[in-house]
Amino acid sequence: DAGVIQSPRHEVTEMGQEVTLRCKPISGHNSLFWYRQTMMRGLELLIYFNNNVPIDDSGMPEDRFSAKMPNASFSTLKIQPSEPRDSAVYFCASSPAGVLPGELFFGEGSRLTVL
Amino acid sequence: QQPVQSPQAVILREGEDAVINCSSSKALYSVHWYRQKHGEAPVFLMILLKGGEQKGHDKISASFNEKKQQSSLYLTASQLSYSGTYFCGTDNNAGNMLTFGGGTRLMVKP
Repeated sequence: DAGVIQSPRHEVTEMGQEVTLRCKPISGHNSLFWYRQTMMRGLELLIYFNNNVPIDDSGMPEDRFSAKMPNASFSTLKIQPSEPRDSAVYFCASSPAGVLPGELFFGEGSRLTVL
Repeated sequence: QQPVQSPQAVILREGEDAVINCSSSKALYSVHWYRQKHGEAPVFLMILLKGGEQKGHDKISASFNEKKQQSSLYLTASQLSYSGTYFCGTDNNAGNMLTFGGGTRLMVKP
């Protein structure tokens, strides 16, 4: 069974550009999480979806960040405009329905570098 | 509020033991432990629910003291494959919204 799939794996962009990160959760999982990892701040939860509905977005740093989950098999995290301080590894994770608390299955991450 | 992990880093020789601690200022429902190798995604180790239970997985076990809001991860007879960064994730409300600690970097040398 395929794991959580993220794309792109690496993105280098210039300040001010729009960045879109994509995630396909494991089939049958109804919870989806976006995390950001930096050396300074560690692993931070950005947003949590349950059954495609955003439940908690209190970790989204500012209005430049937005996330959507149009269906059970796809989510995006968008940064517009991007800034150098957004450089980080962004992880998407999913967890199965009916198991709380349960294991989070992480994708391989998208490494973003904003110049 | 992020849980506090200690130590921040530890170096072991193969076969030695280590303890990693995780402490929270909030009441906890569960504590989760993950290991991340360099350049890879975090990988689940175990979950402990409130009730003070202890769990084990091969030579890695953990305990959860609900009253003290603390958890400890025990690695015995460490192997080279144990090297990586260990994170505890805490959950306050029986969901899966985890707040992760800053991590403990573990290096096992031959």
